[in-house]
Amino acid sequence: QQQVKQSPQSLIVQKGGISIINCAYENTAFDYFPWYQQFPGKGPALLIAIRPDVSEKKEGRFTISFNKSAKQFSLHIMDSQPGDSATYFCAASLSQGGSEKLVFGKGTKLTVNP
Amino acid sequence: DGGITQSPKYLFRKEGQNVTLSCEQNLNHDAMYWYRQDPGQGLRLIYYSQIVNDFQKGDIAEGYSVSREKKESFPLTVTSAQKNPTAFYLCASSAPGPPYEQYFGPGTRLTVT
Repeated sequence: QQQVKQSPQSLIVQKGGISIINCAYENTAFDYFPWYQQFPGKGPALLIAIRPDVSEKKEGRFTISFNKSAKQFSLHIMDSQPGDSATYFCAASLSQGGSEKLVFGKGTKLTVNP
Repeated sequence: DGGITQSPKYLFRKEGQNVTLSCEQNLNHDAMYWYRQDPGQGLRLIYYSQIVNDFQKGDIAEGYSVSREKKESFPLTVTSAQKNPTAFYLCASSAPGPPYEQYFGPGTRLTVT
């Protein structure tokens, strides 16, 4: 129940294309769903996040779509660029007593070809 | 500059030795976290601390220990009891919330031979 399943494991997209990464969860108590971007040898950086009372959130070329009934959420990267090549992690969290415990998906390695 | 620092970036140790990884933040965050990252495994929570002098085990705490004597510091000790210590270790802290957005440091890559 604490797992977050992420797919695909790797993704290759041409420059200008749309990258789509999907995640699914079981625990309906999760109340916050962030996406992190990680470049090789660096720490993950918060990219965009959504709460379950919203079905979509857009920030620039990045959009999260959230389907509460299906317990799924996805990251869409529009007009993908070579600089977007990184590993992306979805996560889900429970806010508890002043902190949160994040449960991460296993990551998607995105390669955007020029 | 505000942020989270981890040192060193690379650390090499012989099997059987304890090693301590440093994590410092100047973001004035109350909560801090340690994660372990292995290839293809995502990030797994080792320990977390909500306030000074208090910390909780995460999902994979065996073979690790922490302390939280100061708000800005949360060092992690990898003990000789950790069966497979070679990994990339990430420290994070979270802003007041909700949501308690977590911000990560640059990581320390530990290699034990």
